[in-house]
Amino acid sequence: DTAVSQTPKYLVTQMGNDKSIKCEQNLGHDTMYWYKQDSKKFLKIMFSYNNKELIINETVPNRFSPKSPDKAHLNLHINSLELGDSAVYFCASSQGTGLNEQYFGPGTRLTVT
Amino acid sequence: GQSLEQPSEVTAVEGAIVQINCTYQTSGFYGLSWYQQHDGGAPTFLSYNALDGLEETGRFSSFLSRSDSYGYLLLQELQMKDSASYFCAVRGAYTGGFKTIFGAGTRLFVKA
Repeated sequence: DTAVSQTPKYLVTQMGNDKSIKCEQNLGHDTMYWYKQDSKKFLKIMFSYNNKELIINETVPNRFSPKSPDKAHLNLHINSLELGDSAVYFCASSQGTGLNEQYFGPGTRLTVT
Repeated sequence: GQSLEQPSEVTAVEGAIVQINCTYQTSGFYGLSWYQQHDGGAPTFLSYNALDGLEETGRFSSFLSRSDSYGYLLLQELQMKDSASYFCAVRGAYTGGFKTIFGAGTRLFVKA
């Protein structure tokens, strides 16, 4: 039973393309997140949704647009991909917006060529 | 603003004890967490401290001193499988609510 799942696991695409990453959690959590981890392993929050409402929107390019159709899903759409977007993207979930415990998905390794 | 500092690398031998420190700066403090991440894997939650003192979970313990803006993760009876990156994360105030920021991570190498 996968708690937080992401698809795809790997994504290789060319500059300028548009791509989406999907995330689903079956933990019944009400808060979901997107993180970006660069090649130096720096983990940075991008977005957070609580009960389908956007509560954190970090300074990321407008090319990144999250969508939460329901509490169990948080997708990330990226337009006009750039080389600098290459990274591992992690989805996570938690109960509430507290720090207590976040459950991370396996990550999506995005490579832009 | 918010910032976290932790050592970039720590090396220790199997069976030893190692301490990974984390100092933070945040406007409004609501808790300190630790996560473990193996190469190619996802971060996994280890511990959380909201109040001063030591929290123990098996071989891992985490300590917090809010007056010193400081915490540490203590790993005892080190095993090879403990070789991983360890991140401290702080929840602080943020325009419109709360935000979690992660440190840059400490890479732990456990040697035989």
